[in-house]
Amino acid sequence: AQKITQTQPGMFVQEKEAVTLDCTYDTSDQSYGLFWYKQPSSGEMIFLIYQGSYDEQNATEGRYSLNFQKARKSANLVISASQLGDSAMYFCAVSNYGGATNKLIFGTGTLLAVQP
Amino acid sequence: DVKVTQSSRYLVKRTGEKVFLECVQDMDHENMFWYRQDPGLGLRLIYFSYDVKMKEKGDIPEGYSVSREKKERFSLILESASTNQTSMYLCASSSERSTDTQYFGPGTRLTVL
Repeated sequence: AQKITQTQPGMFVQEKEAVTLDCTYDTSDQSYGLFWYKQPSSGEMIFLIYQGSYDEQNATEGRYSLNFQKARKSANLVISASQLGDSAMYFCAVSNYGGATNKLIFGTGTLLAVQP
Repeated sequence: DVKVTQSSRYLVKRTGEKVFLECVQDMDHENMFWYRQDPGLGLRLIYFSYDVKMKEKGDIPEGYSVSREKKERFSLILESASTNQTSMYLCASSSERSTDTQYFGPGTRLTVL
């Protein structure tokens, strides 16, 4: 069974600094995808970034980058130049490509607080 | 822009009531999902559907059922609501492409008294 572990329940970061949110996963699938989502206090889940297991380069989307270490089964999210609006809950998720549809398994999340 | 809407943001029901949560997506997505979110547990998949009238159980289907009569609409049904079903319920949809993200609705916070 697939599993996602986010070991940091909460984190503080100073505005304009970079922060790394940890995510490790456990899957026996050869082909899979890794996703990060942001959930502000308003509740909606916002997709941030995607990394495929066969992608050789780390994914980047603006201030977000994914530090993908396949051998270690880790997919840490790096947010550069933190902003106050980055304060939110962050979820890591893994998918598998088999079966009839693309299901996601989510971690328990990390609550990030950006301090001025 | 993908839009996923849910019928209510907040809902309060009594124990034993039948509860319907509706989800509609406007992107012609094949896949639709229902999750519940509880503090410290993340999102857990209740049911999903990959086509009209098709459904599959997720990780925690007990106490729930679903209906997908039209491609754009996926309903979650609590046949007899119980207090342990008080939670945030999130609906999502995605295309068939395995690399596609899931798009989420705003969520329904259900309280069962």
